[in-house]
Amino acid sequence: NAGVTQTPKFQVLKTGQSMTLQCAQDMNHEYMSWYRQDPGMGLRLIHYSVGAGITDQGEVPNGYNVSRSTTEDFPLRLLSAAPSQTSVYFCASSYGQRNSPLHFGNGTRLTVT
Amino acid sequence: AQKVTQAQTEISVVEKEDVTLDCVYETRDTTYYLFWYKQPPSGELVFLIRRNSFDEQNEISGRYSWNFQKSTSSFNFTITASQVVDSAVYFCALSPGGGFGNEKLTFGTGTRLTIIP
Repeated sequence: NAGVTQTPKFQVLKTGQSMTLQCAQDMNHEYMSWYRQDPGMGLRLIHYSVGAGITDQGEVPNGYNVSRSTTEDFPLRLLSAAPSQTSVYFCASSYGQRNSPLHFGNGTRLTVT
Repeated sequence: AQKVTQAQTEISVVEKEDVTLDCVYETRDTTYYLFWYKQPPSGELVFLIRRNSFDEQNEISGRYSWNFQKSTSSFNFTITASQVVDSAVYFCALSPGGGFGNEKLTFGTGTRLTIIP
């Protein structure tokens, strides 16, 4: 049982480049989300999905796109990378209920130069 | 709006000492859920405990215990006889009850705990 799998683990981009962070879960969770973690700011929600075909914006969505074509996958796209997007990104999933704990991937450390 | 405050940014204690991590929350909901997560130096985030607003019983799991007090809106986490493996960043989080999805989950900014051998 792999849980939540994120790739890549590390990535360096130049300003203006685009890329996709991959996220897959094998727990049949309805809810999936992307967070970014920056020093002193905790975890901030970027985008989330409550099921296949349904996505919505979180607290800090600008510069990112998501889609959810299957229950298992929830990729995060950076359209034109900026230094302000240097961060650690976490994908998470859970059952749909609000008392369900999040299961996190191992994170992607992204540096934009 | 809801808010989670972890006022202790960093704490250092000597191994085997007891340590308490504070979490204070604000919410207007009568039903809500509180969580603690651990982020060890390896970077992953691990769920530790969930507590709902109707259950004020303290919880103990080995060296870990949690003290939930609605009267003071606090959900504090105590580690007894700390060990080096307890070194991590600890996050407290709050979710409103009802509804579907975790998009309203609010995290505190975390407390970095260092256990000195």
